[in-house]
Amino acid sequence: KQEVTQIPAALSVPEGENLVLNCSFTDSAIYNLQWFRQDPGKGLTSLLLIQSSQREQTSGRLNASLDKSSGRSTLYIAASQPGDSATYLCAVRPAGNNRKLIWGLGTSLAVNP
Amino acid sequence: DGGITQSPKYLFRKEGQNVTLSCEQNLNHDAMYWYRQDPGQGLRLIYYSQIVNDFQKGDIAEGYSVSREKKESFPLTVTSAQKNPTAFYLCASSIIGQGNTEAFFGQGTRLTVV
Repeated sequence: KQEVTQIPAALSVPEGENLVLNCSFTDSAIYNLQWFRQDPGKGLTSLLLIQSSQREQTSGRLNASLDKSSGRSTLYIAASQPGDSATYLCAVRPAGNNRKLIWGLGTSLAVNP
Repeated sequence: DGGITQSPKYLFRKEGQNVTLSCEQNLNHDAMYWYRQDPGQGLRLIYYSQIVNDFQKGDIAEGYSVSREKKESFPLTVTSAQKNPTAFYLCASSIIGQGNTEAFFGQGTRLTVV
């Protein structure tokens, strides 16, 4: 059974730091992994999707990597800003059952000015 | 603008009442999903649909019902049988495939029992 874990559950950093959020999954048979951002009381915003054949994806200050063999993905945020404060969620789409995403519980990030 | 629209943003339900949450998308996606989010818990799938006039139960379908009469619309009804309906409800859509099945979400509906 696929399980997704995100560590740490919460993170507080000063503005300007580079930081890494972690997502691990137990079954390497996946179609893709997606990172989302959620602001309090809001819906989810898609940040990056990495397909199983890809190693990384980049968007602005965000870089997500995928290592299927070790069951890990990292979201790297460069030069963090207070506006990056949010909860970051990762989800995997298991191979063979592409209807249901499997979710982590998220990392709550606070970037302090 | 392409996207997913959920309405209303806030909804209050009296005991024993059925309420319907709206979800509309103009992304031409075949698949649509309803999730429930509670504090401290991951997103839980209620129902999903891959084609018009067809839908499947997710992990927590009891007390909920859906319909998919149009590709663009996937309304969720929270029935009186749902004993703990207070939660944040999220609708999503995606294409059907293997690799590039990026999921997009609406802004959510917060349902409160009064």
